[in-house]
Amino acid sequence: QQPVQSPQAVILREGEDAVINCSSSKALYSVHWYRQKHGEAPVFLMILLKGGEQKGHEKISASFNEKKQQSSLYLTASQLSYSGTYFCGTEMGAGGTSYGKLTFGQGTILTVHP
Amino acid sequence: DAGVIQSPRHEVTEMGQEVTLRCKPISGHDYLFWYRQTMMRGLELLIYFNNNVPIDDSGMPEDRFSAKMPNASFSTLKIQPSEPRDSAVYFCASSTGLYSNQPQHFGDGTRLSIL
Repeated sequence: QQPVQSPQAVILREGEDAVINCSSSKALYSVHWYRQKHGEAPVFLMILLKGGEQKGHEKISASFNEKKQQSSLYLTASQLSYSGTYFCGTEMGAGGTSYGKLTFGQGTILTVHP
Repeated sequence: DAGVIQSPRHEVTEMGQEVTLRCKPISGHDYLFWYRQTMMRGLELLIYFNNNVPIDDSGMPEDRFSAKMPNASFSTLKIQPSEPRDSAVYFCASSTGLYSNQPQHFGDGTRLSIL
């Protein structure tokens, strides 16, 4: 079942922060985040495996709330290079077992202006 | 290191023609995935292989679609006969593990237009 991302689009000025949410109606085993620039391939950002896990690199980080079946991606002090479409992929599972399927959300379009 | 290589990058053909998309995964990656991306449906998994064996083809739209992986360094996705609704960007991705274990590395995609 496809996860729901919100917002669908966000416009920022350089230096501003943004949060992108990803929600599932089913129990989650892991959450994956990718970024895709226009006309290019999706590029891996991070995988979150455990409930409550937080990960990040540079000024992009994410959290995974297993109980709420959702993940959030945090972009801090945004740069022009952050522009693109952000996808979450959810791997469903429960009790420490994966159901072996990854489903991507519809994406959130992030535009950063100077 | 070479990434995932897809060919052709663009394909324009007429309805009813056979279309073959090609993919060379990253060396050493045991998993290969074929995705289709459209505005309406987003990024959909069509099929994936593990060690050249098709594991899950539940996303393949219909019998007009077929995929093969004759060896560890080559895979094809074939559409015969093609229809206008098959127009999309088709991505191939490879990985050393399945989902929660490892990230997927995507190729640049094939932009397919069926007239």
